[in-house]
Amino acid sequence: GDSVTQMEGPVTLSEEAFLTINCTYTATGYPSLFWYVQYPGEGLQLLLKATKADDKGSNKGFEATYRKETTSFHLEKGSVQVSDSAVYFCALSGFSNDYKLSFGAGTTVTVRA
Amino acid sequence: DGGITQSPKYLFRKEGQNVTLSCEQNLNHDAMYWYRQDPGQGLRLIYYSQIVNDFQKGDIAEGYSVSREKKESFPLTVTSAQKNPTAFYLCASSAAGRSGNTIYFGEGSWLTVV
Repeated sequence: GDSVTQMEGPVTLSEEAFLTINCTYTATGYPSLFWYVQYPGEGLQLLLKATKADDKGSNKGFEATYRKETTSFHLEKGSVQVSDSAVYFCALSGFSNDYKLSFGAGTTVTVRA
Repeated sequence: DGGITQSPKYLFRKEGQNVTLSCEQNLNHDAMYWYRQDPGQGLRLIYYSQIVNDFQKGDIAEGYSVSREKKESFPLTVTSAQKNPTAFYLCASSAAGRSGNTIYFGEGSWLTVV
């Protein structure tokens, strides 16, 4: 079945550092790919998404590019802030999984001032 | 404001009790979902519904039940058959199933067995 594998955490960074969280997927066909963010004690919020190969999703300084050749959707941010401390989830959705979201395990990111 | 409302935020259950978590959305979405979140395990799908009066089991449906009598409502009952119900439960919704549709989440409900 469809699945997502993302980089295990936790990840601890200093403010203004560069952040990368790796995400690779296995799916039949051409799924849509998502990054969600979860702040402590809250639900998930959509951070960005891409619906076809070579699409780049971006939001709040975060970016991810849908790479079909490497089945990847790595999340990057050039200069993190303390407010970026959260859990980040990579996910996919497609015809082969009935358009439900299949999630990675999540990566906890802590940014220190 | 449009969104997904889950209640209660915190719930305590005694051994052997059934409890029901409420989920209401005013986004006019056809599809609704229930996920369970345990520390370090990501999110796992319990049940989902793509249309009123119809629903399907997800990956971990045992010990749970749902109903979808109205488009805007998708309550989840955690039955006494669920052996380890302590977790964070998230309700979500989306427009009708199509690749690329964003799934929106509620704020979640914490269930603790005492």
